[in-house]
Amino acid sequence: ELKVEQNPLFLSMQEGKNYTIYCNYSTTSDRLYWYRQDPGKSLESLFVLLSNGAVKQEGRLMASLDTKARLSTLHITAAVHDLSATYFCAVDVGGADGLTFGKGTHLIIQP
Amino acid sequence: NAGVTQTPKFQVLKTGQSMTLQCAQDMNHEYMSWYRQDPGMGLRLIHYSVGAGITDQGEVPNGYNVSRSTTEDFPLRLLSAAPSQTSVYFCASSSYRGHTEAFFGQGTRLTVV
Repeated sequence: ELKVEQNPLFLSMQEGKNYTIYCNYSTTSDRLYWYRQDPGKSLESLFVLLSNGAVKQEGRLMASLDTKARLSTLHITAAVHDLSATYFCAVDVGGADGLTFGKGTHLIIQP
Repeated sequence: NAGVTQTPKFQVLKTGQSMTLQCAQDMNHEYMSWYRQDPGMGLRLIHYSVGAGITDQGEVPNGYNVSRSTTEDFPLRLLSAAPSQTSVYFCASSSYRGHTEAFFGQGTRLTVV
């Protein structure tokens, strides 16, 4: 059974700081996705990582994938309040079972 | 583009009632799925479909039925609602054979009293 673990589950940080969210998974996969969810809203796709060593960047967010370590990271650079949200990683092992999600990281960025 | 459309957005049911959550996508995606989201639990897969006429169970299927008569539509039926089914439900679709992300509907917030 695939397990996806995110940490931390809750993070409060100040604007301007850097931080990293970690996503570990238990089964071989080279397809990992990051989503953002604002309170009461749906999930918005942030990054699609499809190979070992993949790195994607969008604004102050950068995601990477290490399939050998079964680890993905979401790095936040010089955080701003608008990045406050819950971030989910999701892993696809390639079958028909869909995505397995981590429990999410609730990120609060304080001015 | 509408993407993935879910209805209703909110619903209150009494224990034992039945209802259908509607989901439609206009992206010609093969793969559609239903998740429920509960506090601190992430999203858990209820049922999924890899194409019209084909459905299968996910992690938490009990109490739910699905059907897929067309590529576009994937309704989720609650047969006899229970308080444990109080949750937020999301429908998602993706290109099954492509390496693309899943697109999610707006969600349905269901309360069973």
